[in-house]
Amino acid sequence: GAVVSQHPSRVICKSGTSVKIECRSLDFQATTMFWYRQFPKQSLMLMATSNEGSKATYEQGVEKDKFLINHASLTLSTLTVTSAHPEDSSFYICSARNRGRQGYTFGSGTRLTVV
Amino acid sequence: AQSVTQPDIHITVSEGASLELRCNYSYGATPYLFWYVQSPGQGLQLLLKYFSGDTLVQGIKGFEAEFKRSQSSFNLRKPSVHWSDAAEYFCAVAENTGTASKLTFGTGTRLQVTL
Repeated sequence: GAVVSQHPSRVICKSGTSVKIECRSLDFQATTMFWYRQFPKQSLMLMATSNEGSKATYEQGVEKDKFLINHASLTLSTLTVTSAHPEDSSFYICSARNRGRQGYTFGSGTRLTVV
Repeated sequence: AQSVTQPDIHITVSEGASLELRCNYSYGATPYLFWYVQSPGQGLQLLLKYFSGDTLVQGIKGFEAEFKRSQSSFNLRKPSVHWSDAAEYFCAVAENTGTASKLTFGTGTRLQVTL
């Protein structure tokens, strides 16, 4: 079945530094990648949608200059949290779709802690 | 815009008992509906989905869900719950099957199973 590999699973960084999260589709081409954020005991909130080779579309209220999304290839998308602050601490999850697939394949998530 | 409501934040059932998790959606056209399960600190696993056809959908791990258009519902059921079913369950809706169609999640229902 379809697999999306997300790394790292956990990361702790200092306030003011940047963190990159990678999502790779292992056995299919991820035409579209969705990035979600999940606070403890809450639901998933969509941050942005990216199509391969295009600029990401950000949801209202999400700072595009803070959360940089790159989707340069059909198998790799990255989310970079720039100048991270403690309030950016959260669980980040990616989800990939392919033109020929009806479902969404999720990564295993990244727990970001900013200290 | 579509929305999803999961009225029950937390449900506790005894092992072996039946389970029903409620999900109501709001969308003008035929929705595409999903149920996902999430264990702590993990990504999302698809239990089942409904796109069209038979309104009773069978999924993995013995789960099923029934799409009822008249009630705008897509409730998840399992005849006999196992302790390993304890997790967070999310209902989600997509506008269509297009690759850029985003998922909107409900707030989730936390299932606790007592032995």
